[in-house]
Amino acid sequence: DTGVSQNPRHKITKRGQNVTFRCDPISEHNRLYWYRQTLGQGPEFLTYFQNEAQLEKSRLLSDRFSAERPKGSFSTLEIQRTEQGDSAMYLCASSDGQGAINEQFFGPGTRLTVL
Amino acid sequence: AQKVTQAQTEISVVEKEDVTLDCVYETRDTTYYLFWYKQPPSGELVFLIRRNSFDEQNEISGRYSWNFQKSTSSFNFTITASQVVDSAVYFCALSVPDSNYQLIWGAGTKLIIKP
Repeated sequence: DTGVSQNPRHKITKRGQNVTFRCDPISEHNRLYWYRQTLGQGPEFLTYFQNEAQLEKSRLLSDRFSAERPKGSFSTLEIQRTEQGDSAMYLCASSDGQGAINEQFFGPGTRLTVL
Repeated sequence: AQKVTQAQTEISVVEKEDVTLDCVYETRDTTYYLFWYKQPPSGELVFLIRRNSFDEQNEISGRYSWNFQKSTSSFNFTITASQVVDSAVYFCALSVPDSNYQLIWGAGTKLIIKP
């Protein structure tokens, strides 16, 4: 399977704990996006990488959130001191070259529940 | 600023009926791209179609068809002879070059096809 993969698929944590999610994009894709989706809503953009460079971050991404993409391959999204409001589905997508021309392929998401 | 509106929160039809999902977008950019994605109960977003702002031709793919009208800033999606497997949440999305092609999403329309 050469699609986008995300791990873990589900994460339950207690408020105040740190969590880290991983995304493995399609191997030849140089663009990688993170989105967050809450129940009944469309995804919201969080951040974007072109290769290893993080080129844009949403205002939604507070200083408790950090994302990396070392070597321009997989990416990690870390949330520190989680809050109940962080409970959501975190989606990763990748695209080849110019993302507007080529569609973004999405992974299955990581569902985070903060108790 | 860009915005996508999907006014229909939920639509329920009986199998074999035709159904149209509405999408209205806002952008000041002259170059932009419009997308439709399907999110079945499994949760993974599936790309359906991409259309750029310079191509107003309607498109048909099997039972799916899309009507793009710049005059009304709409990009509507019609399913002909609906089937139970079409049940999902459908999202319309917009991207523009100045925003690194991040997808700006509507809130989605939940489509229920009853047997």
